[in-house]
Amino acid sequence: DGGITQSPKYLFRKEGQNVTLSCEQNLNHDAMYWYRQDPGQGLRLIYYSQIVNDFQKGDIAEGYSVSREKKESFPLTVTSAQKNPTAFYLCASSTSGNTIYFGEGSWLTVV
Amino acid sequence: AQSVTQLDSHVSVSEGTPVLLRCNYSSSYSPSLFWYVQHPNKGLQLLLKYTSAATLVKGINGFEAEFKKSETSFHLTKPSAHMSDAAEYFCVVYPSGNTGKLIFGQGTTLQVKP
Repeated sequence: DGGITQSPKYLFRKEGQNVTLSCEQNLNHDAMYWYRQDPGQGLRLIYYSQIVNDFQKGDIAEGYSVSREKKESFPLTVTSAQKNPTAFYLCASSTSGNTIYFGEGSWLTVV
Repeated sequence: AQSVTQLDSHVSVSEGTPVLLRCNYSSSYSPSLFWYVQHPNKGLQLLLKYTSAATLVKGINGFEAEFKKSETSFHLTKPSAHMSDAAEYFCVVYPSGNTGKLIFGQGTTLQVKP
């Protein structure tokens, strides 16, 4: 089936550690996005990419990094510089003017 | 600047009664508009989308929305609420001009009482 796959579903990070969340799509979409969602709040954009090897910062990019080496993959690294990383992370993809698809999300918790 | 405002952070209805979730947008151009639903600990699922075709858009699970350009609104409705409709609902704007940046409303929590 076509769609977006995020992994892992649950991830625990120790203080000072970098962790990477995976996002893969087989929809042949050009654009991909990472959002952060805190409990009871809306979504905030971290990074987005419209084409391979290009990406732009969103509203809350500090402490995060991404890469877009392949069209189908857009991994997000949460670095130790992100002081409050505990949240629900959502990956999405789209083609211009068309439907936006979301993954099932990943929970990141600092321990 | 383009923006989306969901006018109610929380809506409570009784099962079997109509649902109205309100969304206003601000856009210089004709945007694409979407409604998504999110159940707890899940990703967002598309309910319906408007892309400058018919102004009344029908979606899944009996939901529909009407695009009113004069009112810059895209309210979501359902004639009869079901317990399974209890969730968080997001109105989303995909700006024209391919900026690539989605604009989300803050979300409306729908509570359905038995």
